[in-house]
Amino acid sequence: SYELTQPPSVSVSPGQTAGITCSGDALTKQYAYWYQQKPGQAPVLLIYKDSERPSGIPERFSGSSSGTTATLTISGVQAEDEADYYCQSSDTSGIWVFGGGTKMTVL
Amino acid sequence: EVQLVQSGAEVKKSGESLKISCKGSGYNFINHWIGWVRQMPGKGLEWMGIIYPVDSDTRYSPSFRGQVTISVDKSVSTAYVQWRSLKASDTAKYYCARPFVAPNGNWVDAFDIWGQGTMVRVSS
Repeated sequence: SYELTQPPSVSVSPGQTAGITCSGDALTKQYAYWYQQKPGQAPVLLIYKDSERPSGIPERFSGSSSGTTATLTISGVQAEDEADYYCQSSDTSGIWVFGGGTKMTVL
Repeated sequence: EVQLVQSGAEVKKSGESLKISCKGSGYNFINHWIGWVRQMPGKGLEWMGIIYPVDSDTRYSPSFRGQVTISVDKSVSTAYVQWRSLKASDTAKYYCARPFVAPNGNWVDAFDIWGQGTMVRVSS
């Protein structure tokens, strides 16, 4: 199996831009996906196929990927964006894996 | 409305067996994969496995293969995960989830519909 590595935490001031990285060898060939999870709630899919946003996800959430690193960018961070963020990918045999998660604090 | 509704919280003892469920509604259940995700208290998400109701094709994470069994009953639009012998380390919240269908109609290897989660507590 493979691993996806995320920073444990990031802090950002309201209105600033936050970037959360996700690293893994599989990302050179497979897409990255991003979720937001708030306490006591199920995760919400924010980004699929590296950079696509599902309907209803605010434009301030964007994704990119290059080489072995995918990045979730949150522009104009709001207090309500304080949450845990997870990346996820899959391999060619149909096995998925989540990154360890990043806790984002809005200062 | 597309929904996944999971069975209620469980409190068990080590060594006991358990089967929790996830009932899909509002969509054609058999045509969509259903997956399971574990979240231990205060910890991150862990992908356990996924099943395709049409033929019960099942993929397991290496970490969960042999530890749990994922199954489905098409007649009641319900997926299950079961343990033969629980351990205290199985204490966690378990989510079922359905993969996202992109606007082009293709499945994507990510979940967008989630159940409410089932909390399983196992005492030693």
